[in-house]
Amino acid sequence: DSGVTQTPKHLITATGQRVTLRCSPRSGDLSVYWYQQSLDQGLQFLIQYYNGEERAKGNILERFSAQQFPDLHSELNLSSLELGDSALYFCASSVASGYSSYNEQFFGPGTRLTVL
Amino acid sequence: AQSVTQPDIHITVSEGASLELRCNYSYGATPYLFWYVQSPGQGLQLLLKYFSGDTLVQGIKGFEAEFKRSQSSFNLRKPSVHWSDAAEYFCAGGAGNNRKLIWGLGTSLAVNP
Repeated sequence: DSGVTQTPKHLITATGQRVTLRCSPRSGDLSVYWYQQSLDQGLQFLIQYYNGEERAKGNILERFSAQQFPDLHSELNLSSLELGDSALYFCASSVASGYSSYNEQFFGPGTRLTVL
Repeated sequence: AQSVTQPDIHITVSEGASLELRCNYSYGATPYLFWYVQSPGQGLQLLLKYFSGDTLVQGIKGFEAEFKRSQSSFNLRKPSVHWSDAAEYFCAGGAGNNRKLIWGLGTSLAVNP
């Protein structure tokens, strides 16, 4: 158990819909990262927040957005969903302030999103 | 362009045999490199990391990796594989001022009894 929790574990929805994925980091970690894992594109970094502020942005679509709240949990919002958004979405946390990979990232178990 | 490549999509080894998973990187500066493992239905877990110094890095679960600048490689090794090592292995790296970690596509390891 990494200490990172993600809800829900599974999510099935239809195209055009909007969903919210939730992540609670390890106690003491201020950074939260979101990743998308699909069979054809592998593991893609989406975005990172540190103590409530966006710190680094990766391959995140404009239809996707995220935020980190004062209690440090984070939410990833996916809107106007398409079939191609079906994937496993991971959250990770670390003590790092930047997207500095000198610090280990601890991954949650993921949320599997299926768009029908 | 900076990249991390794992040439082998899938590898099968027998239990007790040695293992080497390949990872090649393309960075101008000295990279920092990682190996993560993803067990079925789980998130990723760090096995080991290289930043500088000793090019042979020891990790958890009996794994080690060697940074070879001349070959632009950071291959993961284990002398004797256990059935519980069956998983997906990811190499990742970054360098210099590029703060985005780049991930390989992963190598799926199957272990025969």
